[in-house]
Amino acid sequence: GENVEQHPSTLSVQEGDSAVIKCTYSDSASNYFPWYKQELGKGPQLIIDIRSNVGEKKDQRIAVTLNKTAKHFSLHITETQPEDSAVYFCAASRRSGYSTLTFGKGTMLLVSP
Amino acid sequence: DAGVTQSPTHLIKTRGQQVTLRCSPKSGHDTVSWYQQALGQGPQFIFQYYEEEERQRGNFPDRFSGHQFPNYSSELNVNALLLGDSALYLCASSRRTGGEQPQHFGDGTRLSIL
Repeated sequence: GENVEQHPSTLSVQEGDSAVIKCTYSDSASNYFPWYKQELGKGPQLIIDIRSNVGEKKDQRIAVTLNKTAKHFSLHITETQPEDSAVYFCAASRRSGYSTLTFGKGTMLLVSP
Repeated sequence: DAGVTQSPTHLIKTRGQQVTLRCSPKSGHDTVSWYQQALGQGPQFIFQYYEEEERQRGNFPDRFSGHQFPNYSSELNVNALLLGDSALYLCASSRRTGGEQPQHFGDGTRLSIL
């Protein structure tokens, strides 16, 4: 089955800096890669996703890149703000709506003012 | 537009008991997936329901069972509870028909086993 590795496990940055979280996956049939943000006491919230026919996708301060050959994808957050502090999870699946999501172990991002 | 709602938010049980957790999907969604999230870990897939049938199952024992109702809501049942079942149980909904949609999660049920 699919295996998703996520690094780093914790990341501390100063407000205004950029943050990068990296994930690798094992199943070459995976073609959908969402990123979720989980705040304390809440469920994961989808922040951005990418499909394998696209190499990069941006949404304001957030971007995701995908390298299918190397089987890795990354989340980039620019101009970080304290409210970006949360746990971020990457995931992979073969289809988006009804395939199972395999998650990484998460990255705790701390943005200091 | 209501998102995914789960009940109860917290639950305390003892070993050997059974528990039922409930989930109402986001409006317009027809597929419900359940995940278990242990402390400090990513969510792990338990099973998925569509058209009132279990469609896919992760690596969980058959003490874990579920149901989906005609209104698309779903229940997760766990029998013979073990200490290791303590976790956050997340429900995610999505839509198979009319084009693929991402999975959206509820805030979960925190289950503690004493």
